[in-house]
Amino acid sequence: NAGVTQTPKFQVLKTGQSMTLQCAQDMNHNSMYWYRQDPGMGLRLIYYSASEGTTDKGEVPNGYNVSRLNKREFSLRLESAAPSQTSVYFCASSVSRGMAGANVLTFGAGSRLTVL
Amino acid sequence: GQQLNQSPQSMFIQEGEDVSMNCTSSSIFNTWLWYKQDPGEGPVLLIALYKAGELTSNGRLTAQFGITRKDSFLNISASIPSDVGIYFCAGPDLNYGGSQGNLIFGKGTKLSVKP
Repeated sequence: NAGVTQTPKFQVLKTGQSMTLQCAQDMNHNSMYWYRQDPGMGLRLIYYSASEGTTDKGEVPNGYNVSRLNKREFSLRLESAAPSQTSVYFCASSVSRGMAGANVLTFGAGSRLTVL
Repeated sequence: GQQLNQSPQSMFIQEGEDVSMNCTSSSIFNTWLWYKQDPGEGPVLLIALYKAGELTSNGRLTAQFGITRKDSFLNISASIPSDVGIYFCAGPDLNYGGSQGNLIFGKGTKLSVKP
């Protein structure tokens, strides 16, 4: 069981370039999330998808777009990268909202992005 | 807005010592979660708490859900080098999606253990 798989693990971009972070889970979870982690800031929610076909903004959505491609996959896109988007990005998933354990998120290993 | 305050920010301890950290919320929670993040990895769930006053253990780790429902504590007994990492508390993020699913995280407690 792979759990939550993120690619790539590392990426360096120049300001203005675009890229997509990929995330896939094999736990049959309905809900998926993208967080960013910055030093001293903890984890902050960028976007989430409560179920296939729905996406919603989190605390820090500016500069990002997401796509819930199917139940397994949830991608995060930076259209025009900025140095302020240098961070470690984590994808997570959980069972359906309202179900027991809905607050228990399973995280991927992270994608470290540097924007020069 | 909703806030989680986690303390201490960092700890440097000797192997074998006990560790205590805590988290307080500006809102009442119905769930408290404690995660650990090893260097270069994603957070991994340690303990989940669902009831005020609940005390739950996982090996050398013990966590408590405060009676006021606004705080939680994590204790590690007899620390060992592999306890090194960042410990996060988390609870339901009432700003996004209500009380189910989305989490708000504390800023973490970075634990260093001297052998």
